[in-house]
Amino acid sequence: EIVLTQSPGTLSLSPGERATLSCRASQTVNTRSLAWYQQKAGQAPRLLIYAASSRATGIPDRFSGSGSGTDFTLTISRLEPEDFAVYYCQQFDSSSMYTFGQGTKLEMK
Amino acid sequence: QVQLVQSGAEVKGPGASVKVSCKASGYTFNLHWMRQAPGQGFEWLGIINPSSGDTIYAQKFQGRVTMTRDTSTSTVYMELSSLRSEDTAVYYCAREPAHGSLYFDYWGQGTLVTVSS
Repeated sequence: EIVLTQSPGTLSLSPGERATLSCRASQTVNTRSLAWYQQKAGQAPRLLIYAASSRATGIPDRFSGSGSGTDFTLTISRLEPEDFAVYYCQQFDSSSMYTFGQGTKLEMK
Repeated sequence: QVQLVQSGAEVKGPGASVKVSCKASGYTFNLHWMRQAPGQGFEWLGIINPSSGDTIYAQKFQGRVTMTRDTSTSTVYMELSSLRSEDTAVYYCAREPAHGSLYFDYWGQGTLVTVSS
């Protein structure tokens, strides 16, 4: 089973700063299957990025995804107040099917 | 416009079964079910193709989960049996938009299932 490990667990930043979130896989991940989601308290997840670097419909261009192999990154270039939330990465492989990272909480400093 | 509307919260006793519905409007290629235990990440339960009824279940839940659909109402159902306290979670349906998408672009609002004696 492919395990996704996200770091840091919590990231404390201020609006206007740059956020870099990491997702590391225990084995090579198909880039096409790596996605990122944002979840706010009491809400369902929202798709941000799919296929590692493609922005979902309606997602601002301050969100970007990159990476390949076992290391993937979600970058938020300039934080807005509404960006403070929990972020999850997700992958698919034929043996473990769909798995998610444990999440990174982005909190306001 | 795609919308996934789930049924309301449930409270069940240990050993019971729960059936959660997800009514879809708009095109859905496949619908998946995930769950999120309190304060935890996500766990994938399985997938159903609303057109064919074909299903694939996560190995962990095989024998305990059943996914079905009613094409006349565009509704899919997820039934989990032999409930235990560890099954307490918010259950979500989510859309896979096309064959081979490998991600979920629309999610239901979630259904809280509480297992308690």
